[in-house]
Amino acid sequence: GEDVEQSLFLSVREGDSSVINCTYTDSSSTYLYWYKQEPGAGLQLLTYIFSNMDMKQDQRLTVLLNKKDKHLSLRIADTQTGDSAIYFCAETQQAGTALIFGKGTTLSVSS
Amino acid sequence: ETGVTQSPTHLIKTRGQQVTLRCSSQSGHNTVSWYQQALGQGPQFIFQYYREEENGRGNFPPRFSGLQFPNYSSELNVNALELDDSALYLCASSLADRGRGYTFGSGTRLTVV
Repeated sequence: GEDVEQSLFLSVREGDSSVINCTYTDSSSTYLYWYKQEPGAGLQLLTYIFSNMDMKQDQRLTVLLNKKDKHLSLRIADTQTGDSAIYFCAETQQAGTALIFGKGTTLSVSS
Repeated sequence: ETGVTQSPTHLIKTRGQQVTLRCSSQSGHNTVSWYQQALGQGPQFIFQYYREEENGRGNFPPRFSGLQFPNYSSELNVNALELDDSALYLCASSLADRGRGYTFGSGTRLTVV
């Protein structure tokens, strides 16, 4: 079945770059997402990438997709304390269908 | 543009009881889906509604049921509550066929005692 895996924890210093990694098993995944969840809150869509793309950049965020290895990464440049949160990788095979989430990576940013 | 709103924000129920959670979709969205997020876990897909009919379901028993109304608002009903049902329940709305359109609400924290 489908599976999405992430490392559980990442700690960085303010101003450094953060790289959060994700692997997925379903080769038919079409859309891949990164969501952010702050304590006690719902999920905020950060960015997404279609499976026919290798890279997407959106301000401080860069998403890299390696389809061959089924590996997705999220790079946050100039990480700030406000970036401290849980980051979820998610995939879906078809637009408008169920999202499959990883367990989330807790990003801790120290000043 | 309004976001996705859920009510109530917190709820405590006793094992065996029934609960109804509510969601108002983002304006213009015609699809609503529900997710269960246990503590320390990623969200798990429960089911999805499009045009008032269920069109996808995850690995959840039939005591989890739902409704979608003509105004695209939605309810999640859980019967015969179990302790393991304690979780954050998230509602997400989207436009069908738009892979980038999932907007999540802040969730309802359900505690079963």
